Amino acid sequence: EAGVAQSPRYKIIEKRQSVAFWCNPISGHATLYWYQQILGQGPKLLIQFQNNGVVDDSQLPKDRFSAERLKGVDSTLKIQPAKLEDSAVYLCASRTPGLAGGRETQYFGPGTRLLVL
Amino acid sequence: GQQLNQSPQSMFIQEGEDVSMNCTSSSIFNTWLWYKQDPGEGPVLLIALYKAGELTSNGRLTAQFGITRKDSFLNISASIPSDVGIYFCAGQLGGGSEKLVFGKGTKLTVNP
Repeated sequence: EAGVAQSPRYKIIEKRQSVAFWCNPISGHATLYWYQQILGQGPKLLIQFQNNGVVDDSQLPKDRFSAERLKGVDSTLKIQPAKLEDSAVYLCASRTPGLAGGRETQYFGPGTRLLVL
Repeated sequence: GQQLNQSPQSMFIQEGEDVSMNCTSSSIFNTWLWYKQDPGEGPVLLIALYKAGELTSNGRLTAQFGITRKDSFLNISASIPSDVGIYFCAGQLGGGSEKLVFGKGTKLTVNP
């Protein structure tokens, strides 16, 4: 089974520029997540999609961050304009479909490492 | 918001030694997950715990879901060099919320 795919793996931009990240979840996973992981920290949820609908975007800085999952499969996360503090790893994860007893887990992609100069 | 306190922050051990790390929270979680993250990669799920008191093993790894539902520990027995990495605990509130709250990680170094 193929894992969560992300691209690019690395990106270096200057502040105030725009950047976009792409994620392809595991086939059949309806739920997709974007996380931000700052160096030395655990991942922090930015946004959660269920199919093409947003479930939770309470921690997404909506003045500069946007995300979409138009067809309920691939997703893109955009930052416009980027700030220095956006330097982080951006992780995409997808979740197994619901099982009996609610035993569900998230599987992560390799991440995109963003450096804002 | 919910926070997880993960300790220790880092560990330096000799190959063959056992390791123990834990997470505590002021909030009750319905699920505890333990992940390992290698440099340049995303976290990989090691063990998932779904019931208070549950004790689960995965090879040399053993994890337990605390009875109070506010803590969990992970043990690694007979460590080997490939155990090097950062270990994260994550809690899921449940009750319709699938949001994972992560600890800050335990960085493990194993000296051969």
